[in-house]
Amino acid sequence: DIQMTQSPSSLSASVGDRVTITCRASQGISNYLAWYQLKPGKVPKLLIYAASTLQSGVPSRFSGSGSGTDFTLTISSLQPEDVATYYCQKYNNAPLYTFGQGTKLEIK
Amino acid sequence: EVQLVESGGVVVQPGGSLRLSCAVAGFSIDDYPMHWVRQAPGKGLEWVSLISWGGDSTYYADSVKGRFTISRDNRKNSLYLQMNSLRTEDTALYYCAKDYGSGNLGLFDYWGQGTLVTVSS
Repeated sequence: DIQMTQSPSSLSASVGDRVTITCRASQGISNYLAWYQLKPGKVPKLLIYAASTLQSGVPSRFSGSGSGTDFTLTISSLQPEDVATYYCQKYNNAPLYTFGQGTKLEIK
Repeated sequence: EVQLVESGGVVVQPGGSLRLSCAVAGFSIDDYPMHWVRQAPGKGLEWVSLISWGGDSTYYADSVKGRFTISRDNRKNSLYLQMNSLRTEDTALYYCAKDYGSGNLGLFDYWGQGTLVTVSS
């Protein structure tokens, strides 16, 4: 089975900083990569799919890139409301839908 | 507006059974595959189960295969997860989620807020 590895596992940054989270697949997954945002007590949110396509309604400061095995999620200017845990996920190969272990993002 | 509302999470003893429900508004569940995803306390997300849009195909994570059963009631626009032979490691927040497309993509564009299942003696 393909494993998804995120780094770092936690991250602390200042408001306005550019933040990058990486996700690596153990085998190539083309661009079948999504990013989700989870906040305690809130409904999980799909941010990006197809590695770089922004889901409707997601702020443009979020962006994704990559293909094959290496992917990144970038927040261009960190905002207080971006405090959350972020997960990457490979999809399309039913039913092997695998998430990364998550990256907890905090404000410094 | 799309809404998914899970219910049925309680404290149950190991070996017990439980049925989770997910009531859906804003779209017809018979148009999309539907999933259950869980998050154990302090852990990451784990996909649990999928039912195809037609309801004729179901899939399960190895960790729950043979113990959990996913089903849907299109008339009630609701999704269910029957959980039997529960183990302490099944303790988690259980989310229902809508698939983005009709082809079992496993891309979750709408989620519920989750219902907490605690398996403990």
